[in-house]
Amino acid sequence: DAGVIQSPRHEVTEMGQEVTLRCKPISGHNSLFWYRQTMMRGLELLIYFNNNVPIDDSGMPEDRFSAKMPNASFSTLKIQPSEPRDSAVYFCASSTDRGRKSSGNTIYFGEGSWLTVV
Amino acid sequence: DQQVKQNSPSLSVQEGRISILNCDYTNSMFDYFLWYKKYPAEGPTFLISISSIKDKNEDGRFTVFLNKSAKHLSLHIVPSQPGDSAVYFCAANRMEYGNKLVFGAGTILRVKS
Repeated sequence: DAGVIQSPRHEVTEMGQEVTLRCKPISGHNSLFWYRQTMMRGLELLIYFNNNVPIDDSGMPEDRFSAKMPNASFSTLKIQPSEPRDSAVYFCASSTDRGRKSSGNTIYFGEGSWLTVV
Repeated sequence: DQQVKQNSPSLSVQEGRISILNCDYTNSMFDYFLWYKKYPAEGPTFLISISSIKDKNEDGRFTVFLNKSAKHLSLHIVPSQPGDSAVYFCAANRMEYGNKLVFGAGTILRVKS
């Protein structure tokens, strides 16, 4: 089974440029998450979609960040304009909420997009 | 405002010994807790979880303990193996959040052979 697929794996861009990160969730999953990993704050939730609708975007740092989920199999996270402090690993994750398992709500992560803004 | 805290940035343990990773939380409404493991250049992967109605859950070498009154959970790895060297993230969830997980900052575990 294909897991969560993210692209690009690595991106180096200049300050001020637009960056678009892409995610394909696991087929059949109806929840999608964008997380950012930094040394200081660990894994921060940026935005959470359920059934393609943004449910919680309180973690989006500022207006420079935007996310869309036009359909159940694709999401983008856009940063415009990018700044050096945006350098981090951005993870996309997905899960299903159709029935809560006794083992808890497991979400499945992609391999991440490593962003460096110079 | 960090609702899930992992106060030890790193831990070093000898192979064969016990590794104990700790996690504290502030929100008493959390009802599920999970541990994720992350190797370099990979995404986090689910390791083990526990419901708030339990105080212990065991899966092979991994055991998670939950102390609700202290708002504290811990992950025990016995015996530790070099392949366990990774970053371990504690996470918490409330049913009202859907599947949204709140993560701690992570603890780097190094198991020395």
